[in-house]
Amino acid sequence: QKEVEQNSGPLSVPEGAIASLNCTYSDRVSQSFFWYRQYSGKSPELIMSIYSNGDKEDGRFTAQLNKASQYVSLLIRDSQPSDSATYLCAVNNYNQGGKLIFGQGTELSVKP
Amino acid sequence: DTGVSQDPRHKITKRGQNVTFRCDPISEHNRLYWYRQTLGQGPEFLTYFQNEAQLEKSRLLSDRFSAERPKGSFSTLEIQRTEQGDSAMYLCASSLLGRHYEQYFGPGTRLTVT
Repeated sequence: QKEVEQNSGPLSVPEGAIASLNCTYSDRVSQSFFWYRQYSGKSPELIMSIYSNGDKEDGRFTAQLNKASQYVSLLIRDSQPSDSATYLCAVNNYNQGGKLIFGQGTELSVKP
Repeated sequence: DTGVSQDPRHKITKRGQNVTFRCDPISEHNRLYWYRQTLGQGPEFLTYFQNEAQLEKSRLLSDRFSAERPKGSFSTLEIQRTEQGDSAMYLCASSLLGRHYEQYFGPGTRLTVT
């Protein structure tokens, strides 16, 4: 079992729709959870972080965390073609030095 | 711009040559991380520093790889006797020291070994 799992996609949504990206992790003591956006040929860009169960909203983005189910998700409302990218879920266990464990990423395509 | 910077952005080398990459973190960040990313995969952790101390190295980091952060500021990653399998994007990230502090990535160095 991979430590962090994501559907690789591609996930295709029409412009204006809600895109839902999911991630599961295996280490129950993970403490910090991050979503990075990566455009083709570029480096990862941090867009959301979440540490407590529940929802965290920032503009069009909402991150959801359920530690009991070991599940993290990212919702993108009013999706735009500029949101087309690969979204990487990353998990951190501070007691193991703070290194990030990444999923393989989900490719999102927003069609105009 | 006070973000993470990396140099060079691209490097093409022949198999067997040595290469060195540099990373300058965000100035107040204590921690510096190196990751490697191949096509279609998420970044994989290689090593990290807290100030000048190298605190962890992944088993991915063979003897041919060495990293330093001599004065707790910039870091270098050297690959000796490069192999075609070393072709990847090498990413540097930095963060403050703390439980939840986020890591910010530099633009990466893309290495191609021919």
